[in-house]
Amino acid sequence: DIVMTQSPLSLPVTLGQPASISCRSSQSLVYSDGNTYLDWFQQRPGQSPRRLIYKVSNRDSGVPDRISGSGSGTDFTLKISRVEAEDVGIYYCMQGTYWPYSFGQGTKLEIK
Amino acid sequence: EVELTESGGGLVQPGGSLRLSCEASGFTFSYYWMSWVRQAPGKGLEWVANIKRDGSERYYVDSVKGRFTISRDNANNSLYLQMSSLRVEDTAVYYCTRELHDWGQGTLVTVSS
Repeated sequence: DIVMTQSPLSLPVTLGQPASISCRSSQSLVYSDGNTYLDWFQQRPGQSPRRLIYKVSNRDSGVPDRISGSGSGTDFTLKISRVEAEDVGIYYCMQGTYWPYSFGQGTKLEIK
Repeated sequence: EVELTESGGGLVQPGGSLRLSCEASGFTFSYYWMSWVRQAPGKGLEWVANIKRDGSERYYVDSVKGRFTISRDNANNSLYLQMSSLRVEDTAVYYCTRELHDWGQGTLVTVSS
């Protein structure tokens, strides 16, 4: 099974400053169709998860452009260019290339 | 507007069974893969199962294989998760999702004696 490893697990950030979360997979997430099925999710306190990014770098509708995803192969990054109060929550990466799908442990973003 | 409403959670003893339901609206249900994802109290997300649009393919996390069955009724826009031989470690909020893009509010399953 694919293991997804996120870092850091805790991320205190000052409002207006950038934030970056790393996600590494135990093997390449490139599928036979050429796509890389790596998604990012946000879970705000007390809410259901929400997908932010699909296939590494594609923003879902309604996601602000200060949030971006990048990476390839086994190394991926979620970046927030300027953190706002609404960004507080836990962020998860997830691979959907291989069965069973698997999530990272989660990164808790808080305001410093 | 896409809506996913889970039901069927509750308290069950170890070894017991429970059937979760998810009622979908706001989209053509039969066009989409559907998933169940769970979250143990204070823990992270765990993908549980997927089912193809027509129900012809189903996939499970290893820890529930042979105990859980995902199914769907496209005529009634409903997704199900039949859970048997429940264990304490199955205690979690169970979310129904449409291709991991849209999520319900979750239903809590507690396995305890």
